[in-house]
Order: sequence, then C-alpha cells, then structure tokens
Amino acid sequence: NAGVTQTPKFQVLKTGQSMTLQCAQDMNHNSMYWYRQDPGMGLRLIYYSASEGTTDKGEVPNGYNVSRLNKREFSLRLESAAPSQTSVYFCASSEQRQSTYEQYFGPGTRLTVT
Amino acid sequence: AQSVTQPDIHITVSEGASLELRCNYSYGATPYLFWYVQSPGQGLQLLLKYFSGDTLVQGIKGFEAEFKRSQSSFNLRKPSVHWSDAAEYFCAVALNTGFQKLVFGTGTRLLVSP
Repeated sequence: NAGVTQTPKFQVLKTGQSMTLQCAQDMNHNSMYWYRQDPGMGLRLIYYSASEGTTDKGEVPNGYNVSRLNKREFSLRLESAAPSQTSVYFCASSEQRQSTYEQYFGPGTRLTVT
Repeated sequence: AQSVTQPDIHITVSEGASLELRCNYSYGATPYLFWYVQSPGQGLQLLLKYFSGDTLVQGIKGFEAEFKRSQSSFNLRKPSVHWSDAAEYFCAVALNTGFQKLVFGTGTRLLVSP
C-alpha cells in the first residue's frame, strides 16, 4: 500500500513554462485535494475533488487547473508558471464518511519558478 | 469565515521536558479538530483528531490534545519530548456539516535542545 504518491519530487521551471503535477492514491478514497505550502502561511487549498467527475475551487485557485482523471488520479496543471507559484505542493485524499475525515498526504513536490 | 490560529511560530523545548502547542479556532459551532505533524522534507501525518465525546484525545507518538469549548482551543501536549519530535505541527479544523474541507493554521516549528 503506497498511500498517496506524487511526481515529480522536485521541479524547476522558467516563467511562462507549463507543467503538470501528478498525484495518485491507492486507498480507494472518493475525495482528493491539492494544497500549496508557503513559509508562514500553512497549507492553503488550491482545488479539490469531492468525488470522481467533480472538481471545485479552493482558497487559491488562480493560475491552476485540475483534472480528476479517475478515482485514483488527480493532477494539477500550471499553464503559465509565475515566480509566485514557487511553493511546495501537496496532494491528499480522504473518505467523506462520518468520523473518517482524516486526510492522507503525499510527500510533496517542491517547485521553483525562476 | 472560519480561521485557525497557532500563536507560536517557533518553540524550543529541552529533551525530556513537557510540551504544549496552542491552537485556537473561530467557528460558530464545534468543528472537527485535527493535529498533523510534518517532519523535514516529508508530507503531513495525522497525530490525533477530535470529533465528539471525551474532550481529551490520545494520539500517536505519546501526544494528546484537549478540546476546550469555552476557550475555542485544542492544545497539543506531550509529557516528555524526544529529539525525534522536532518537526512542524499544524492544527486544522473542518466544519461538521456538508463536504469536509480542512482549514490549517500557520504551523508551529518545534526545536528540541539536548
């Protein structure tokens, strides 16, 4: 059981380049999330997918798009990277049943935009 | 809007001493409450959670937390800190209605001195 996996672990982009961050979970969870983590800001929700086939904006969605490819996979795309998107990105998944709202996190992707 | 406050950015504790990390939340009703730990370069791991019932909850690694409704607090405690506890700790809350999204505090970095 790998849990939540993310690729790549590290990435350096130039301003204006595009890339897709991949996330997969093997826990059969319905819900998946993308966060960014910046110093002094905690984790902020970018987008989430309550269930396969649905996606919704979180707190900081501007500059990002997502795709819930299937129940396992949830990708985050930066169409035109900006230095302000330099951050550590975390994917998470969870169930949405009573008393089981725990989110399980991947190891993160450290992205630098120059 | 809901918010979570962790007033201490850094805390240094001697190995073997007790620890208390503070967390206050702002909600109209009792939310679901969580503490996560992030070791350097890693994703987040759940330490413990509170949904209802006994206000003192036990978690992994010897941690506990107490929910105090009157103070809107959910402080994390450990009676004797180990060097391996050095990490960043995040408090998070979720509304107990509808789809569960976590709102994170800004984190407290724990340093453990010999």
